[in-house]
Amino acid sequence: DQQVKQNSPSLSVQEGRISILNCDYTNSMFDYFLWYKKYPAEGPTFLISISSIKDKNEDGRFTVFLNKSAKHLSLHIVPSQPGDSAVYFCAASRRSGGSNYKLTFGKGTLLTVNP
Amino acid sequence: SQTIHQWPATLVQPVGSPLSLECTVEGTSNPNLYWYRQAAGRGLQLLFYSVGIGQISSEVPQNLSASRPQDRQFILSSKKLLLSDSGFYHCAWRKSYNSPLHFGNGTRLTVT
Repeated sequence: DQQVKQNSPSLSVQEGRISILNCDYTNSMFDYFLWYKKYPAEGPTFLISISSIKDKNEDGRFTVFLNKSAKHLSLHIVPSQPGDSAVYFCAASRRSGGSNYKLTFGKGTLLTVNP
Repeated sequence: SQTIHQWPATLVQPVGSPLSLECTVEGTSNPNLYWYRQAAGRGLQLLFYSVGIGQISSEVPQNLSASRPQDRQFILSSKKLLLSDSGFYHCAWRKSYNSPLHFGNGTRLTVT
């Protein structure tokens, strides 16, 4: 049962334009969401997070939007740069049910930003 | 500042051989520790997590095991590797459930 889904395996965007990466989740108990970026042969690095009490969080060029009713979140990168080319993972965490410490990841979306 | 060290960076092992991957965290105490695996074409799969010394929770039944002999040390082991154990293994830590997970650079394991 895949609780965090990234339905687009890849996305290609022109430099300077907006990149929108999407993520859906099925578990309504999730209350903390994160985005990670991963370059080949490196560990994932944390980008930005959002708690379920908010619907938007911004950090420089990166903005995460959360729509709890639709169980959907998205990551916007504006403007996109070639150095943003990487695999992006969506992740979610929950407090209850004895699983306080687990972070569940999606399968990732490969973003390619073309110069 | 906190740092996480994971070794070795790459490993090639024959089927049936044992495995030991080690991870240590510096600059914090009582971290929550995790082992994730990323197989080819797949996402990050949680294998084990630990909230304290000697406390290990397993997520996926398999031939792997984990141990936490010290507060900031996490070890992933196997007595006999399978071909399907090939992949990228990442150690990670975080302070609490609502803080980000920080990953090491990973170990690329190839089982031949």
